[in-house]
Amino acid sequence: KAGVTQTPRYLIKTRGQQVTLSCSPISGHRSVSWYQQTPGQGLQFLFEYFSETQRNKGNFPGRFSGRQFSNSRSEMNVSTLELGDSALYLCASSLTGGRGEQYFGPGTRLTVT
Amino acid sequence: KNEVEQSPQNLTAQEGEFITINCSYSVGISALHWLQQHPGGGIVSLFMLSSGKKKHGRLIATINIQEKHSSLHITASHPRDSAVYICAVSAGNQFYFGTGTSLTVIP
Repeated sequence: KAGVTQTPRYLIKTRGQQVTLSCSPISGHRSVSWYQQTPGQGLQFLFEYFSETQRNKGNFPGRFSGRQFSNSRSEMNVSTLELGDSALYLCASSLTGGRGEQYFGPGTRLTVT
Repeated sequence: KNEVEQSPQNLTAQEGEFITINCSYSVGISALHWLQQHPGGGIVSLFMLSSGKKKHGRLIATINIQEKHSSLHITASHPRDSAVYICAVSAGNQFYFGTGTSLTVIP
C-alpha cells in the first residue's frame, strides 16, 4: 500500500499571501488530521476530517481552514500568512481518527518571508 | 500547563543500554500514542495504547490509566534508535502532544 503523500514538500511564501497544502491518505483511510510543528510550540493539532466533514478542531485562528474530498484527499489552506506560520505541516491518515493508529506523511515545510 | 509532560527532554546513552522515556498526562484519554521522529521530519507511529503493555521488537510501551502515566522502553539500544520520541494523547475531540525526548545513542 502506498503511504501518505503530501505536496508540495517545500514552499516559500510572502507575508500576506495564502497557501494551499495537499494530503493524500492511505487507500481506505477516511480520516485525515493536520498538525503544525514549530521549534517553539512543538506539535499542535489543527483539525481532523472524516468522510468530508470536519470532526475535530484545534485552537487555531480562522485563517487556517481545510476540506476533504470524496476520495478522502484533503487540503489545508492558510490565508493572510504571517511570519509565525513558518512551520512543518504534517498530515496523518487513519481508519478511525484519533482513537486509531496514525500514519504520517513526510510533511510540507512552509517558510513565510 | 501542558496536558502532556515528557521526561527527560534529552537523553544520551551508550549502545546496548536499557532506555526509559516517561510520559504523564492530565486529561481523560481514549488512546495514547508513542511516535518517533527522525531528523528531516518524518514521523512514525510506534505504539497506540489504551491499556496494559505492548511490545514490538526491542521496544516496549506500558500505560497505567489510573496514574495517567506511560513509559516507552528500548532494550539493547542501538545508534539507529537515535531520534526524537513524542508522546501524544487522544482526548475527546483533541489531540495533545508532549514536547518530545531527544535520544542519542553513542556507538
